[in-house]
Amino acid sequence: GAVVSQHPSRVICKSGTSVKIECRSLDFQATTMFWYRQFPKQSLMLMATSNEGSKATYEQGVEKDKFLINHASLTLSTLTVTSAHPEDSSFYICSARAGPPHGYTFGSGTRLTVV
Amino acid sequence: GENVEQHPSTLSVQEGDSAVIKCTYSDSASNYFPWYKQELGKGPQLIIDIRSNVGEKKDQRIAVTLNKTAKHFSLHITETQPEDSAVYFCAASPNAGGTSYGKLTFGQGTILTVHP
Repeated sequence: GAVVSQHPSRVICKSGTSVKIECRSLDFQATTMFWYRQFPKQSLMLMATSNEGSKATYEQGVEKDKFLINHASLTLSTLTVTSAHPEDSSFYICSARAGPPHGYTFGSGTRLTVV
Repeated sequence: GENVEQHPSTLSVQEGDSAVIKCTYSDSASNYFPWYKQELGKGPQLIIDIRSNVGEKKDQRIAVTLNKTAKHFSLHITETQPEDSAVYFCAASPNAGGTSYGKLTFGQGTILTVHP
């Protein structure tokens, strides 16, 4: 139980285009999901907290207009990287809290490469 | 906000040896401390966690200890195997009980290599 499915696993896009990443909780409802960014050989940095039915809460320094988050249902949150640039290339990971004993469950991540 | 420090950044052991990774945290409100294993190109996987109402928890070869007074917690892996090789992250979160959704703050990670 407590599976989070994230798609796509890899995406390559051209500079200036937008990319959407989906995060689904498969066997539980997630009123809150979290989006992280991870650069090579570094830790996970929280970008934003996604709340079902309301606006996401962004961490300091994260551009909300660039990283659009939508959490329209209890099982789906999406992250859209708008007008992507090479510096946006990174590993993006979503997470949801399923409750004990599962704790925070993570998706498998999305490797974004902007060329 | 919370700050989590993790050491060492790299750890190399021989198969069968024990491995210990240590973390400290700064926010006394933190009450949930998970450990994650991350393999290359994958998301983190929860391997064990502990809440602030206990001092130690064990699951087969893996154990975690917590010292609330000193604000530090440690991961212990015994009888290490090559498949234990991965990056390990500690994390801390406040208000993780019930329906609260405390944010996780991660340590910097430890690259564990187990040599056959």
